[in-house]
Order: sequence, then structure tokens, then C-alpha cells
Amino acid sequence: NAGVTQTPKFRVLKTGQSMTLLCAQDMNHEYMYWYRQDPGMGLRLIHYSVGEGTTAKGEVPDGYNVSRLKKQNFLLGLESAAPSQTSVYFCASSDRGGNTEAFFGQGTRLTVV
Amino acid sequence: DAKTTQPPSMDCAEGRAANLPCNHSTISGNEYVYWYRQIHSQGPQYIIHGLKNNETNEMASLIITEDRKSSTLILPHATLRDTAVYYCIVTKYNFNKFYFGSGTKLNVKP
Repeated sequence: NAGVTQTPKFRVLKTGQSMTLLCAQDMNHEYMYWYRQDPGMGLRLIHYSVGEGTTAKGEVPDGYNVSRLKKQNFLLGLESAAPSQTSVYFCASSDRGGNTEAFFGQGTRLTVV
Repeated sequence: DAKTTQPPSMDCAEGRAANLPCNHSTISGNEYVYWYRQIHSQGPQYIIHGLKNNETNEMASLIITEDRKSSTLILPHATLRDTAVYYCIVTKYNFNKFYFGSGTKLNVKP
């Protein structure tokens, strides 16, 4: 049981380049989330999804787009990377409704130069 | 979602109980209190959650005050492996949209 898997684990981008981060979960969870974590800070919610085909904005959505074409996958896209997007990105998933925990991936460390 | 306040750091001696406080004075009736921890730069790990009753599992105990405005996470016998940042999160019952604050850095010392 892999849980939540993020791809890639590390990436260096040049300013203006684009890339997609992939999050895959094998727990049949309805909800999925993308967070970013900057040095010395807590996690901030970028976008989330309450089910296949749906997405919504979190606290810091600017500069990012997401898609949830399949229930098990949640993609985070950077169309034109900026140095301010240098961060560690975490994906998470949880089951429908309250009273359940969220499971997190191991993170993607992205550097934009 | 209610905002939480936690001390930035705490120390604890190995083998002793670690008591981590959290204030959530604006919590509403349908909001749960969750605790997560993040060891080094790994993904956050779920510890425990509760609504109004005290809860205990194999990792920790959660004590919620009667007015629900504050809570305490208790690690009964802290080990060096418990050194981590601990996050207290309040979120609504019907959707787990977790907002993380800065958390408490717990340093367990030999």
C-alpha cells in the first residue's frame, strides 16, 4: 500500500519554464490537496479537490493551476515558474466527510533559478 | 475555520511527558481539533483528533477543555524520535480543509 506518492521528488527550473507535479493516491479518497511550505513556516493550502473533476482555490492559488481528471490523481501545474515559487510542495488526500485524517506525501523540493 | 495559537518552541526531557498547548478561542460547535506533526522535512503525520471529549490512542492523548477554547496534546513518554514540529489545526466536521499555522517545535533532549 503506497499511500500518497509524489513525482518528482526534486526539480530545478529556470524562471519562465513550466512543469507539472503529480500526486497519486491508492486509498480511493475523495479529497485531495496541494500545499507549499517555505523555510521555517507552516504549510499553506494552494488548491484542493472534493472529487473527480472538481477543484477549488486555497490560501495561495496565484501562479498555479490544478486538474483532477482521475480520482486517484491530482496534478499541480506551474505555467511560468518564478523564484518566489521555490518551495517544498506536499500533496495530501483524505476520505469524504469529517472525522477522518489526511495522509501526506513525502514532498517535492522545487527550486526556481 | 478557527485560528489556533501555539508556542513557537518547547523543550522536554527524554522519558518525561510532553504537554503541548493550543488555544482556539474562536472554535465553533462543528469544528474538530486535529494534531499533526512534521519530523524534519517529511510530510506531516496524523497524531490524533477530537471534538469535545478527551481522546487517547497509541501515540498520544488529547485533552480538550470543557469550553473547547483550548486543548493539550500529551506525549506520555517522549523519545528523541518525537522531536518535530507539532501543528494544532481546527477544521469543520463536514470537510477536512486543513489550515496549518506555524506549530510548536518540540525538542526532546537526552
